[in-house]
Amino acid sequence: GENVEQHPSTLSVQEGDSAVIKCTYSDSASNYFPWYKQELGKGPQLIIDIRSNVGEKKDQRIAVTLNKTAKHFSLHITETQPEDSAVYFCAASAAGANSKLTFGKGITLSVRP
Amino acid sequence: EAGVAQSPRYKIIEKRQSVAFWCNPISGHATLYWYQQILGQGPKLLIQFQNNGVVDDSQLPKDRFSAERLKGVDSTLKIQPAKLEDSAVYLCASSLDFLREQFFGPGTRLTVL
Repeated sequence: GENVEQHPSTLSVQEGDSAVIKCTYSDSASNYFPWYKQELGKGPQLIIDIRSNVGEKKDQRIAVTLNKTAKHFSLHITETQPEDSAVYFCAASAAGANSKLTFGKGITLSVRP
Repeated sequence: EAGVAQSPRYKIIEKRQSVAFWCNPISGHATLYWYQQILGQGPKLLIQFQNNGVVDDSQLPKDRFSAERLKGVDSTLKIQPAKLEDSAVYLCASSLDFLREQFFGPGTRLTVL
């Protein structure tokens, strides 16, 4: 089955700096890669996703890049703000009705004011 | 638009007792998921419903866990009997259809003593 790994497990940045979170996946059949943000006491919330026919996608301060050859994808957050502090999860799934999302272990991002 | 509702939010039981969780998905969402999130890890899919039929329950410990989705709307997840290792947050999510964005509820935090 699919295996998704996230690096690093914690990340601390100064407000206004950029943050990059990397994930690798194992199943070459995976073609959908969402990123979720989870705040304390809440469920995960989708912040951006990318499909394998696209190499990069951007939404305001957030961008995701995908390298299918190397089987890794990254989340880029620019101009970080304290409210960006949360746990971020990457996930991967293949196409098909029986496909399921496999999540990484998550990374705790702390943005220092 | 109302989000995914879950109850209770917290539950403390002793091992060997039984417990049930309830989920009300977003109106019109055909696909419903139950995830288990152990502290420090990403969500792990337990079971996926498409309307009221089971699509994937390969990771559901069927000797103690059961789930149903009556009339293709609300769902309940039951654990009987509970073990210490069942302590986790149980997340319910729904989507318009499979492979579409998943919306998560706030989760139920279960502590088994």
